[in-house]
Formats: sequence, C-alpha cells, structure tokens
Amino acid sequence: AQSVSQHNHHVILSEAASLELGCNYSYGGTVNLFWYVQYPGQHLQLLLKYFSGDPLVKGIKGFEAEFIKSKFSFNLRKPSVQWSDTAEYFCAVNGLSGTASKLTFGTGTRLQVTL
Amino acid sequence: EAGVAQSPRYKIIEKRQSVAFWCNPISGHATLYWYQQILGQGPKLLIQFQNNGVVDDSQLPKDRFSAERLKGVDSTLKIQPAKLEDSAVYLCASRRQGVYEQYFGPGTRLTVT
Repeated sequence: AQSVSQHNHHVILSEAASLELGCNYSYGGTVNLFWYVQYPGQHLQLLLKYFSGDPLVKGIKGFEAEFIKSKFSFNLRKPSVQWSDTAEYFCAVNGLSGTASKLTFGTGTRLQVTL
Repeated sequence: EAGVAQSPRYKIIEKRQSVAFWCNPISGHATLYWYQQILGQGPKLLIQFQNNGVVDDSQLPKDRFSAERLKGVDSTLKIQPAKLEDSAVYLCASRRQGVYEQYFGPGTRLTVT
C-alpha cells in the first residue's frame, strides 16, 4: 500500500521568505509524484509533477520540487513567496502497478503568507 | 478545453436522507474518479471508473454509497442514507488514457445535520 506524509500542517511566512514543505511517501516500487495546490475558493490544481529523469522539477509560479529516492522524499520549494501563494498544498503519490493509476494524498499543508 | 464540471456545489441534508452528486469529466477523458475530502484531510479515493467499468471501489462504503457511469461519460455518486460523518467535499477528477495527471472539478460541499 502507498502512503504520503506531510509534516507541516500550517506554515506562516512573510512575503519574500523562502519556502520548503516536506513530503515523504511510502511505496516499494516506481512512483509518480505530484504537488497540487488549492487556492481559497478554488479547485485543486496541479502545481508540478515528477515521472522520471531529472529529479529537480519545476512547476508553475516559481515552484520546484526535488525527488530524493533514497529518502523517499519530494519536498516543495520556492525561493521567495508572495501573498498570492496563500493556499493549501497537497503532496500525492501514484504507485505504478500495471495499468492502475491511483493517487494517494497527504493531509495537506496550509500556507499563510503575510504582508 | 472545459474543465471537470460538478453539481450541485453545495448541499445540506439531514441524516438518513439521500443525496446525489453529478460529474461531467473533461471531454475524451476515459478515467473518472470520485474522492471524499473531509475537513483537514487530503482527498481519499472512493471509486475509479475506466469508461463505464469500475476499476477500484475498495474504499467505497458500499452499504450506503453507490456510483455509476452508465454511458462512460457523466457519473453520479449517491449516498443513502447519509450519516453525520459523510459531511465532506466530494471531488470528481478525470484523466486521459495513458496520462497520469488528474484534473479536478470544484467539488460538492455536503453538510449532513
């Protein structure tokens, strides 16, 4: 079975501060990894994804994430956050097994950016 | 392209009543998912369809929840009878065959009183 842990439940940062949100997963095989974002009042949107290749992936709005296979981690980073980054961030894993595609989400991290 | 559509956006019912949610996936997306998102938690998969067939319903509480996708396009999720713990946002997502990215709808917020 696959699982995801997000250690930071609520993060408060000032504008221009750097961000790193932790994500660890558990799965014994090949995985696809995702970060989704949910802005207030909006639906879940894909922020970035890792399938294979370069473990450092870049997404929209200046976000990036690094896949470290040995640590089963896929942490999200942004060098300088903006007030508009206030949202809830979800890490998700898709353990690849045959043709099945099943996303398991973490509990989410609520990011609050203050001016 | 149009996104995943869901209705209603909000629903308030009393316990033991029934309720149904509707989802229209993105055109051409063969795979459709229903998730339950309880406040403070991440979305949890309830059921996955491939066209009109069920791929995975292992986490669907089948004594009260049912879902169908008769023509392989739209889908409905039903709860009968509802319990207080069913209060949550019900999300529908879809993806194209061979592509792992899922696209989510706005969700239906259900409150059971």
